[in-house]
Amino acid sequence: LAKTTQPISMDSYEGQEVNITCSHNNIATNDYITWYQQFPSQGPRFIIQGYKTKVTNEVASLFIPADRKSSTLSLPRVSLSDTAVYYCLVEEGILTGGGNKLTFGTGTQLKVEL
Amino acid sequence: DAGITQSPRHKVTETGTPVTLRCHQTENHRYMYWYRQDPGHGLRLIHYSYGVKDTDKGEVSDGYSVSRSKTEDFLLTLESATSSQTSVYFCAISRDFEEPQHFGDGTRLSIL
Repeated sequence: LAKTTQPISMDSYEGQEVNITCSHNNIATNDYITWYQQFPSQGPRFIIQGYKTKVTNEVASLFIPADRKSSTLSLPRVSLSDTAVYYCLVEEGILTGGGNKLTFGTGTQLKVEL
Repeated sequence: DAGITQSPRHKVTETGTPVTLRCHQTENHRYMYWYRQDPGHGLRLIHYSYGVKDTDKGEVSDGYSVSRSKTEDFLLTLESATSSQTSVYFCAISRDFEEPQHFGDGTRLSIL
């Protein structure tokens, strides 16, 4: 089972780029890394997913180095509404049934100020 | 938002009583998950299902059982609730494993 580590908290200001890193050992070649955002009293919400190099969508980028021992979520030009807890998730296993493992990081509280 | 409904949303009960939480989906997704969320621990997987009557244990499955008799419903049962099971419980669904998960709004369970 992969062990994931994230910084507990980060502070930023509006308009800045924020990079949150998740460290994960024992990750296999085809294991996916997914990032979620969570606001208070709500369930987590999907942000981005990938398993190698770089993925970009309309809200974020995900960088995964060749050794895959970490991944970095990049949020361009954050705003106050990006204040939330961010979780990385490593999904290990096969697609067709049981025996799969999922490990969430403990989350990073991002606080964005004016 | 994905069609996921958790019930009840809040529950207070006593130690030793049985508790069942329900997750209902309208998306026809194959995978369903139950997580618990506690301060300092993030989200931890309790059980998941990969089809009707097909379930598997997660990281923290002791004291919990699940059932999935039809695609849309996934039940989590605490046979004899303990105070250590006080937590916020989230249900999630995904089209397949390693597909993005969509979460419900959570059930806040307090066991006195």
